[in-house]
Amino acid sequence: DAGITQSPRHKVTETGTPVTLRCHQTENHRYMYWYRQDPGHGLRLIHYSYGVKDTDKGEVSDGYSVSRSKTEDFLLTLESATSSQTSVYFCAISLAGVSTDTQYFGPGTRLTVL
Amino acid sequence: GQQVMQIPQYQHVQEGEDFTTYCNSSTTLSNIQWYKQRPGGHPVFLIQLVKSGEVKKQKRLTFQFGEAKKNSSLHITATQTTDVGTYFCAYSGAGSYQLTFGKGTKLSVIP
Repeated sequence: DAGITQSPRHKVTETGTPVTLRCHQTENHRYMYWYRQDPGHGLRLIHYSYGVKDTDKGEVSDGYSVSRSKTEDFLLTLESATSSQTSVYFCAISLAGVSTDTQYFGPGTRLTVL
Repeated sequence: GQQVMQIPQYQHVQEGEDFTTYCNSSTTLSNIQWYKQRPGGHPVFLIQLVKSGEVKKQKRLTFQFGEAKKNSSLHITATQTTDVGTYFCAYSGAGSYQLTFGKGTKLSVIP
């Protein structure tokens, strides 16, 4: 599983509260990604990172911010959670130097916003 | 933006029957990847196809990339209960490190 962990694995929060999800990798991969998965929508890219402090927006970035201050950690923040952000969030990495677009996913975080 | 359509959305098969899912694009793709997600799990990379007309096999799974590089298929011969899950196709643009996923085909296998 390319040494990817996500925390927390489950979280229930209330509308309007800030939430931070963490993705941690142990193998020094350069590229990291955050997706959300919803029924009927498949996997949609929220933000991605191509190095420390280098991030860019994906397809569904509104309401989300990210930070990457260390190679191993990629944080996803919902500044003020809304019910529409209830979803399963997956982090992924690319194996740069082997295949930069093949991705390996973490176990996911199930977030419920009440 | 560019998208891929996956069909069918759902498929129920009797164990031992074959299964095929299709991934179609209106534009030429530089590559296509396939992922499998078991219920409650995370997507797992299966294979990548890059060449026109390419065919690859993994045991009972056969992957094809169309001659025009606009469509792809995944065929499972003699399904087993372990094949249950959702199968996604995905592609990246030339020189891009982003993947765009299809919405997936959910396979159920009746024992």
